[in-house]
Amino acid sequence: GENVEQHPSTLSVQEGDSAVIKCTYSDSASNYFPWYKQELGKGPQLIIDIRSNVGEKKDQRIAVTLNKTAKHFSLHITETQPEDSAVYFCAANTGFQKLVFGTGTRLLVSP
Amino acid sequence: DAGVIQSPRHEVTEMGQEVTLRCKPISGHNSLFWYRQTMMRGLELLIYFNNNVPIDDSGMPEDRFSAKMPNASFSTLKIQPSEPRDSAVYFCASRTSGRADTQYFGPGTRLTVL
Repeated sequence: GENVEQHPSTLSVQEGDSAVIKCTYSDSASNYFPWYKQELGKGPQLIIDIRSNVGEKKDQRIAVTLNKTAKHFSLHITETQPEDSAVYFCAANTGFQKLVFGTGTRLLVSP
Repeated sequence: DAGVIQSPRHEVTEMGQEVTLRCKPISGHNSLFWYRQTMMRGLELLIYFNNNVPIDDSGMPEDRFSAKMPNASFSTLKIQPSEPRDSAVYFCASRTSGRADTQYFGPGTRLTVL
């Protein structure tokens, strides 16, 4: 079945810096890759997603890139702010309509 | 627009007791997912329903866990009897058929079994 690996597990940056989180997946049939942000005490919230027919997608300070050949995708956050501090999860879909999640990255943005 | 609603938000119970977690999906969504989140195992899919029918329950840890979806607006996850290792945050998520893969999560129920 699908396996998703996520790195790094923790990431500390200064406010204004960029942050990059990387994920790899194993199932070449996966065609949908969402990213979720989870704040303390809350459920994961979808922040951006990408489908396999595109290589990059942007939404203001957030962008996601996808390399289907290498089976990896990345989340890029520019001009980080303290409110970006949270745990971020990547995921990939499977042929059975399920999502398989990475293990999460704890991002800390220091003022 | 109300999101996924879960209740209770917190539950503390003693080992051996029955626990029932509840979920109301987003109106119009036809798929519902139950997840468990722990530090050790991350986010695990327990079971999911399409059109109120259980499709895949391979993630349900054992017979002590059961889930039902009697109608499109309500689902329950029951643990009987509960054990300390069941302590976790349980999330419900729902999905619309319009965007078949995007799942929207509820706020979760934090379960503590003493």
